[in-house]
Amino acid sequence: QKEVEQNSGPLSVPEGAIASLNCTYSDRGSQSFFWYRQYSGKSPELIMFIYSNGDKEDGRFTAQLNKASQYVSLLIRDSQPSDSATYLCAAIKGDSSYKLIFGSGTRLLVRP
Amino acid sequence: KAGVTQTPRYLIKTRGQQVTLSCSPISGHRSVSWYQQTPGQGLQFLFEYFSETQRNKGNFPGRFSGRQFSNSRSEMNVSTLELGDSALYLCASSPEPPGHPNYGYTFGSGTRLTVV
Repeated sequence: QKEVEQNSGPLSVPEGAIASLNCTYSDRGSQSFFWYRQYSGKSPELIMFIYSNGDKEDGRFTAQLNKASQYVSLLIRDSQPSDSATYLCAAIKGDSSYKLIFGSGTRLLVRP
Repeated sequence: KAGVTQTPRYLIKTRGQQVTLSCSPISGHRSVSWYQQTPGQGLQFLFEYFSETQRNKGNFPGRFSGRQFSNSRSEMNVSTLELGDSALYLCASSPEPPGHPNYGYTFGSGTRLTVV
């Protein structure tokens, strides 16, 4: 079992819709979670981090964390074609290593 | 404010050679980590340095090594290159030490290594 799992996609949504990206993690000790966006040929760019159960909003982006279900999600409202990218979920391991472990990413396509 | 700078951007090496990649973190960032990214394996953690000390190491062979200098700049070295080492090598820096709840990396543009 991978430590951080994501559906590889592609997830295709029409412009203006809400895109919902999901991630599960196996390490119950993980406390901090991150969402990165990576455009093709570019390096990952940090969108948001979350470490408390519940929702965290930043502009069009909302991160949701449910530690009991070991589930993290990212909602993108009013999706734009420029949001088309691979979205990477990452978690800091709960052991003393504090490694940041990435999922394999979900490719999002926003159709004009 | 300058971002994370990686040099060189592109590199072509022959199997069996060694290579050194360089990373300059954002000013004030003391934590530097290295990742290998390939289409098949995604982002794989190599190692992390904080205040010149290697704090964490991923599951890579001993051919992969690194170090961090007193100014937080970091280098990684790969010896006896293999074809499978062809990848994008990413460096990332963070202002907080490991364990801080806001621990998050800013990535550099990466070094694209091709081994032929």
